Amino acid sequence: AQTVTQSQPEMSVQEAETVTLSCTYDTSESDYYLFWYKQPPSRQMILVIRQEAYKQQNATENRFSVNFQKAAKSFSLKISDSQLGDAAMYFCAYRSETGTASKLTFGTGTRLQVTL
Amino acid sequence: EPEVTQTPSHQVTQMGQEVILRCVPISNHLYFYWYRQILGQKVEFLVSFYNNEISEKSEIFDDQFSVERPDGSNFTLKIRSTKLEDSAMYFCASSPGQGFVYEQYFGPGTRLTVT
Repeated sequence: AQTVTQSQPEMSVQEAETVTLSCTYDTSESDYYLFWYKQPPSRQMILVIRQEAYKQQNATENRFSVNFQKAAKSFSLKISDSQLGDAAMYFCAYRSETGTASKLTFGTGTRLQVTL
Repeated sequence: EPEVTQTPSHQVTQMGQEVILRCVPISNHLYFYWYRQILGQKVEFLVSFYNNEISEKSEIFDDQFSVERPDGSNFTLKIRSTKLEDSAMYFCASSPGQGFVYEQYFGPGTRLTVT
């Protein structure tokens, strides 16, 4: 079974600064997908960014980018120019490439605080 | 923009009672999911549903749970005899397909409190 580990329960960043959230995972599969979801106080899960394991190029979405290290099974999220609205819980998630209606396996989350 | 909706937003029930949590997935989506999040913990997969049958279920999804798509729009999660440990946030999600490009869209969740 796949596992996802987020070792940082909480992180803090000053507005306009850059922060990196860590995620590691364990799998025996070679093809899979990785995601970062944001959960603001409203509790709704919002997709931030995704990465295909077979792609070496790191995904970017505006101020959000990932550092995907397949051999190390590491998938960190970098948030540049942090904004107050970035304050939320961030969950790393894994999804298998095979199987129908593949489930997401989530990590325990990192609570990000953004300070002035 | 289409979105997944869930009702009610908060449900309080007594232990042993049956509850039905309702979800309206995005209209052209074919794959449906339920996840739950116990307060302060990670989001956990419960069940996936496709073509009117369960595709996969987790160990959490035991005989007290069931899912149904009673009509063309609703997707429900029933808990037959609630326990205190069923208190959690329940999220419904839907996806138009199963490939990588098909994002799972989450609803706002139903907070279930079992007393």
